[in-house]
Amino acid sequence: SQTIHQWPATLVQPVGSPLSLECTVEGTSNPNLYWYRQAAGRGLQLLFYSVGIGQISSEVPQNLSASRPQDRQFILSSKKLLLSDSGFYLCAYTGVQETQYFGPGTRLLVL
Amino acid sequence: AQSVTQLGSHVSVSEGALVLLRCNYSSSVPPYLFWYVQYPNQGLQLLLKYTSAATLVKGINGFEAEFKKSETSFHLTKPSAHMSDAAEYFCAVGSRDSSYKLIFGSGTRLLVRP
Repeated sequence: SQTIHQWPATLVQPVGSPLSLECTVEGTSNPNLYWYRQAAGRGLQLLFYSVGIGQISSEVPQNLSASRPQDRQFILSSKKLLLSDSGFYLCAYTGVQETQYFGPGTRLLVL
Repeated sequence: AQSVTQLGSHVSVSEGALVLLRCNYSSSVPPYLFWYVQYPNQGLQLLLKYTSAATLVKGINGFEAEFKKSETSFHLTKPSAHMSDAAEYFCAVGSRDSSYKLIFGSGTRLLVRP
């Protein structure tokens, strides 16, 4: 069966510091992968998606970037965090019939 | 282009009462439709999905949803609310392109009163 992992679970970072969040998927090959953000009290915002290794599509221009160095690994990065980058970050992969399955999320607080 | 509207950012019901969460969609192609639930500080969990088979879809935890093409609706219902149903619920429509993106509604927070 498929599983999806995210780490770290919680992160507190100072403004201006770098960021690296990791997402890995097990039990499937060549999935589409997605990064979402939820700001406090708000809905889901799609940040990036990837249909294959090295293929990244950005949905919203911002301070973040994404990479897919391996088939089942998706990384969200920033060189310098802003206060507005705080939020709950979710990774997801696509199963059959466009169904997305979500990871447990990473809570990021930028101070 | 596909879009989703969830009516009511907050819905409050008494324990044991009917739960009705509304979702209307817009799609230029036959849609795939989804309901997800999110508990605090957790990821989204798939409740149920419609992919052009039966119009009445049954999901986990006693929830079901009915696809009504004429009304472009996919409302979520549960006959009797339980305290554990308190969560945020998201409706989504599939993009039906190679990105397999989902377009999400803004979410409805369900409160269950004892």
